[in-house]
Amino acid sequence: GESVGLHLPTLSVQEGDNSIINCAYSNSASDYFIWYKQESGKGPQFIIDIRSNMDKRQGQRVTVLLNKTVKHLSLQIAATQPGDSAVYFCADKTGGSYIPTFGRGTSLIVHP
Amino acid sequence: DVKVTQSSRYLVKRTGEKVFLECVQDMDHENMFWYRQDPGLGLRLIYFSYDVKMKEKGDIPEGYSVSREKKERFSLILESASTNQTSMYLCASSPHPGLDNYEQYFGPGTRLTVT
Repeated sequence: GESVGLHLPTLSVQEGDNSIINCAYSNSASDYFIWYKQESGKGPQFIIDIRSNMDKRQGQRVTVLLNKTVKHLSLQIAATQPGDSAVYFCADKTGGSYIPTFGRGTSLIVHP
Repeated sequence: DVKVTQSSRYLVKRTGEKVFLECVQDMDHENMFWYRQDPGLGLRLIYFSYDVKMKEKGDIPEGYSVSREKKERFSLILESASTNQTSMYLCASSPHPGLDNYEQYFGPGTRLTVT
């Protein structure tokens, strides 16, 4: 994930719209990527992962896209619901490393 | 389901006190982690452990120590709490890398306030 900053990016959407949350990573050797969702007052929760030998992976209402050329990861949420309001983190990891690198997170606000 | 539990959700301590944060996981994971989370700064790794009695410093170990006497339990210790250690503390566990699924499982967090 990106190096940290003081301001958390925020994405505001209307209920029912599609949401796209972006993440840049810096390590070209990273081969495993994860998206987490963190609701207020809770710990991060796994959403979806993707390995570097894939460009796209789909889950239930979520899709992760990986562009290794520009070291960019995105999370697409279809038909966003108020329950999707949370902070979303990307994380990347290399090979046999124990330690993922987390991005600073994006706050998603869904308006009913 | 994997469960990672933390001993307290909220904790208020005074400057100079010794503070223990406990974390327990029930999935027989080798790796355990302690992070702190501050607004706008994301998750910062304090310490991690890849086996019983093994520990490695993370990015911000100063002012903290850890203990892992049993595989399922990983404790974070603030030897002498200071106000700049007021934060949300998150524990996580994961299996060894090399497996297909390497997600970290997080506990609910402990919000520590040092006054």
